[in-house]
Amino acid sequence: DAKTTQPNSMESNEEEPVHLPCNHSTISGTDYIHWYRQLPSQGPEYVIHGLTSNVNNRMASLAIAEDRKSSTLILHRATLRDAAVYYCILRDVGAGTGNQFYFGTGTSLTVIP
Amino acid sequence: DSGVTQTPKHLITATGQRVTLRCSPRSGDLSVYWYQQSLDQGLQFLIQYYNGEERAKGNILERFSAQQFPDLHSELNLSSLELGDSALYFCASATGTLQETQYFGPGTRLLVL
Repeated sequence: DAKTTQPNSMESNEEEPVHLPCNHSTISGTDYIHWYRQLPSQGPEYVIHGLTSNVNNRMASLAIAEDRKSSTLILHRATLRDAAVYYCILRDVGAGTGNQFYFGTGTSLTVIP
Repeated sequence: DSGVTQTPKHLITATGQRVTLRCSPRSGDLSVYWYQQSLDQGLQFLIQYYNGEERAKGNILERFSAQQFPDLHSELNLSSLELGDSALYFCASATGTLQETQYFGPGTRLLVL
């Protein structure tokens, strides 16, 4: 699976938007971009995923660059509950070897009240 | 609550011992994944089962084994335990093996003394 690069940590003020970047310059045409987050002392939880077009759901938005070499997870209004480690993961739909995820180091988001 | 259950929540044992971790997937999910999260290695994929059969293997040691039973629950067996096996062990489930969302359980925290 192609590699992703994320900043180690970011800070945001509560109730402000947060843009979490992810670089994936070696992404292939069949790689989906997945975002998961892990709150303290919990298992990872799904946030959003996409292939080429921008995606929105109740938790967040995913903006994918036109060349797909980078993406940005957008939390529209950060709350204290959004403090977590955010993982950007690529998964090749054509790999045919299962759906396991390879987690990198992620971005630790701190939300300041 | 993801719908995935893991038991026990905590486990303390001694080096050289053997333990079994149990995972019950969400209702209807056929795939079960096991991950190990340690402080120095981050989240590492161990192994995946789909409908009772092994589907993919990651960084799983030979001392570790897993199986998925006809009722789809899964067990991860860790033997000849070493201090370095102390970690959080997560189970995740998904409906199939492609791009479906993985739902993670709360984890089992293993401490080897």
